[in-house]
Amino acid sequence: KAGVTQTPRYLIKTRGQQVTLSCSPISGHRSVSWYQQTPGQGLQFLFEYFSETQRNKGNFPGRFSGRQFSNSRSEMNVSTLELGDSALYLCASSSREASTDTQYFGPGTRLTVL
Amino acid sequence: GIQVEQSPPDLILQEGANSTLRCNFSDSVNNLQWFHQNPWGQLINLFYIPSGTKQNGRLSATTVATERYSLLYISSSQTTDSGVYFCAVAARTNAGKSTFGDGTTLTVKP
Repeated sequence: KAGVTQTPRYLIKTRGQQVTLSCSPISGHRSVSWYQQTPGQGLQFLFEYFSETQRNKGNFPGRFSGRQFSNSRSEMNVSTLELGDSALYLCASSSREASTDTQYFGPGTRLTVL
Repeated sequence: GIQVEQSPPDLILQEGANSTLRCNFSDSVNNLQWFHQNPWGQLINLFYIPSGTKQNGRLSATTVATERYSLLYISSSQTTDSGVYFCAVAARTNAGKSTFGDGTTLTVKP
């Protein structure tokens, strides 16, 4: 079975732009969660989607949004980029909702904001 | 929200040594996982262990849910074990949200 895939792997943007990141979960998995990893804040939860519904959201501003499609693929969008949004963005998938099942992570998208 | 503390923050070992990493959490959990983050940033699953004991080769883990802690044991460490080890938990009261500890950075010297 193919693992979790994320595209693009690397991205460079400038302040004020917006960006869309994509995550394809393991086949058959219905839950996708997103995390931001920075040296200063560590790994922080962004949101979780299960069967196209956002089940939980972390403490991030409204510039961070996401969605999940009927095939379980998920996208996250960051609008009006700030320098502090530079981070590794990781997504994870699980077959059941995330808090009761093993989460499998993708390789991440490394975003640099100049 | 739930607090997760990992110790020690840094650990340096000689190849062949054994080590114990600890994860303390502040609330009842539905889910606890241990991960190893490789130098390229990928989080590799080690164990899904909300309670009990599991073993996988040189690695084993124990979670005592009633006392709110988990331990990861690495025996006969190898240089390839180097990296950051994370514990992540999901609290019963906040379904769908996993909280990560700050990690333990392990360096195994040849």
